[in-house]
Formats: sequence, C-alpha cells, structure tokens
Amino acid sequence: DVKVTQSSRYLVKRTGEKVFLECVQDMDHENMFWYRQDPGLGLRLIYFSYDVKMKEKGDIPEGYSVSREKKERFSLILESASTNQTSMYLCASSLYPPLARVSGEAFFGQGTRLTVV
Amino acid sequence: AQKITQTQPGMFVQEKEAVTLDCTYDTSDPSYGLFWYKQPSSGEMIFLIYQGSYDQQNATEGRYSLNFQKARKSANLVISASQLGDSAMYFCAMREGLNTGNQFYFGTGTSLTVIP
Repeated sequence: DVKVTQSSRYLVKRTGEKVFLECVQDMDHENMFWYRQDPGLGLRLIYFSYDVKMKEKGDIPEGYSVSREKKERFSLILESASTNQTSMYLCASSLYPPLARVSGEAFFGQGTRLTVV
Repeated sequence: AQKITQTQPGMFVQEKEAVTLDCTYDTSDPSYGLFWYKQPSSGEMIFLIYQGSYDQQNATEGRYSLNFQKARKSANLVISASQLGDSAMYFCAMREGLNTGNQFYFGTGTSLTVIP
C-alpha cells in the first residue's frame, strides 16, 4: 500500500513564524502535491513537483514556498505565517501518467490542520 | 473557467437508496482522467473510482459507478444501496494530458448525508 505521511496532524503557530509542513511518500512517486482545503472552496493547489528539485506553482502559491531535495520528501514552507493561512493542508503523491493513459490516482496524506493565531 | 464543477453543496439520501452526485468538467485536451474521492469526517481522502477519456465503458467499483457522458462533459458518481458509512464529502477531480507534472483539478465537493 502506498503511504503518504504528513509530519503533524494538528499545528498551532503564531503570526509571523516560519512554518514547515513535511510530507513523505514511500512508493517512489515522481509527482508530489500540496493542496489547501477550505470549506466551500474545495482543494486548491499550492505547489507541485514532478521531480527532485523541480517545482511548479499551483493556483495559490503566494505566501508559500516548497522544497524537494529528495524524491520521497516534499516540504511546504510558510515564510511568515498569517491568520489567513489557517487551513487544512493536504499532501499527495502520484505516478506520472504512462503514455497510454492518464490514470495514476493521487494518494493523500492524513492532512495537517494548521491554526495561525 | 472552472475545470471541475460540482453544483450540489449538500445532498441527502435514504439508507439503501441510490444517489447521484453531479460533476461536470472543462477541458480541450482529448486525453484526460476523471477521479472521485471520498473524505469522511476523519479527513483522509479515499480514492473511489477512475474513468479515462478513452474508456468505452463506464467505470464501476462495487457500489460505485461513474456515469460518463463525454459529449456533455459530465462524470456523475452513482452510489447504489447507500449505507450510513457513505456519509462524507465527495470530490470530483480531473487530470489532463500526458505530460509529467500535470496537476489534479478538484471541485468544491458535495456533502452527502445518509439518513437511516
């Protein structure tokens, strides 16, 4: 079974702190993703990575950065946490699609509920 | 334009009845995949079913089936014989193209409540 593990289930941080959210997958997946989930807005992509040291901005990258130094680990960094970054953060990984199909579902971690006070 | 649209914020269904959760998508790419996920109150995202754009038949997985209408760009999830444990948020998602790094687009979700 694919396992995607996020370092914390719940986090409380102060405004202005630098926050690191860690995600590790154990299935040698090329693609990794960070989403933010808010009520009524669904999942919104912050950043994704399709290879080590490669990253692409998603729909809402402002205020975030990422790091992928090793294939299995994808870190989300809140440079200076603000109250509007209080949210559920979901990490996911997947294989990249083979030529014939675009299957290869995303496997998710358990989520990190971040509260910025 | 939204890539994935789920127009039902909340749905109720009687236990043992069938329910359809709507999903429409927007893409000009001929090659894409459609996914449904379930998110119980515990928060984990559970993959339910997949439909490829070239698949001729509707996907089925146990009590889940995907009503794929390509011309209408519709990918509705049908849950048959609803159970209390089906109460959860349901998300429709799409992945386009054949390139590496392509992202998953998610809808805003439908909250399903199964009534005993």
